[in-house]
Amino acid sequence: AQSVAQPEDQVNVAEGNPLTVKCTYSVSGNPYLFWYVQYPNRGLQFLLKYITGDNLVKGSYGFEAEFNKSQTSFHLKKPSALVSDSALYFCAVRDYVDKLIFGTGTRLQVFP
Amino acid sequence: EAQVTQNPRYLITVTGKKLTVTCSQNMNHEYMSWYRQDPGLGLRQIYYSMNVEVTDKGDVPEGYKVSRKEKRNFPLILESPSPNQTSLYFCASSRQGLNSNQPQHFGDGTRLSIL
Repeated sequence: AQSVAQPEDQVNVAEGNPLTVKCTYSVSGNPYLFWYVQYPNRGLQFLLKYITGDNLVKGSYGFEAEFNKSQTSFHLKKPSALVSDSALYFCAVRDYVDKLIFGTGTRLQVFP
Repeated sequence: EAQVTQNPRYLITVTGKKLTVTCSQNMNHEYMSWYRQDPGLGLRQIYYSMNVEVTDKGDVPEGYKVSRKEKRNFPLILESPSPNQTSLYFCASSRQGLNSNQPQHFGDGTRLSIL
C-alpha cells in the first residue's frame, strides 16, 4: 500500500538559514510526489511536484525538493527561510486512482 | 479567478440534524474529492468523484454521502451527524486521468462542530 511519512511534527529554523522538511514514501511503481502548504484558515496550496526527470524540483516561493529513489525520500528545502514561510507543510503521493495520500504534516516555524 | 468554493466556512450544530456542505469549482475539473483533516492524522479522503454521476468511497466514508449531478458541484451530506464528525473538511478538484500528475486545488475549508 502507498504511504507517506513525515517524521517531524515541527521544524524550527532562524530566518535566513536553510530549511529542510523531511518526507519518505512507500509506493509500488513510479511515484508521483507532491508538496502542499497550508496557511492558517486556508486550504492547501500546491508547492511543487515530482513526476519524472530531474531529481531536483523547483516550485513556488523559492522552495525546491530533492527526489532520492534509493532512500525513497522527497525532502522539501529552501536555501534561506523567511518568517512568512511559517505554515503547515504536507507531503503527498498520488495513487493509481488519483487519490492523494497525505503525510501527517510538519509545522514549520521560522523565527526572526 | 480559478477557485474551489466551500460553504459554510464554519458550522456548529447538534447530533442528528442533517447538514450539507456545498462545494463548487469553476475550472471544469473532472475529479473532485472530500477530505477531513484531524490533528496528528493529516488529511484523509472521505469520497471522490472521477466525473459526473461517478462517486467512490475513500478511506473514511462512514456517516457521509455525496452526489455529483453536475460537473462543478460536489456536496457533502451528513445525514445524521455525530460528535466524531467534528473536524475540518476540505473539498478539492483537479483535471482527471488515471495516473494524472495534475495538482489538486483546495477550497478554504469548512470547520464543523457537532455537539
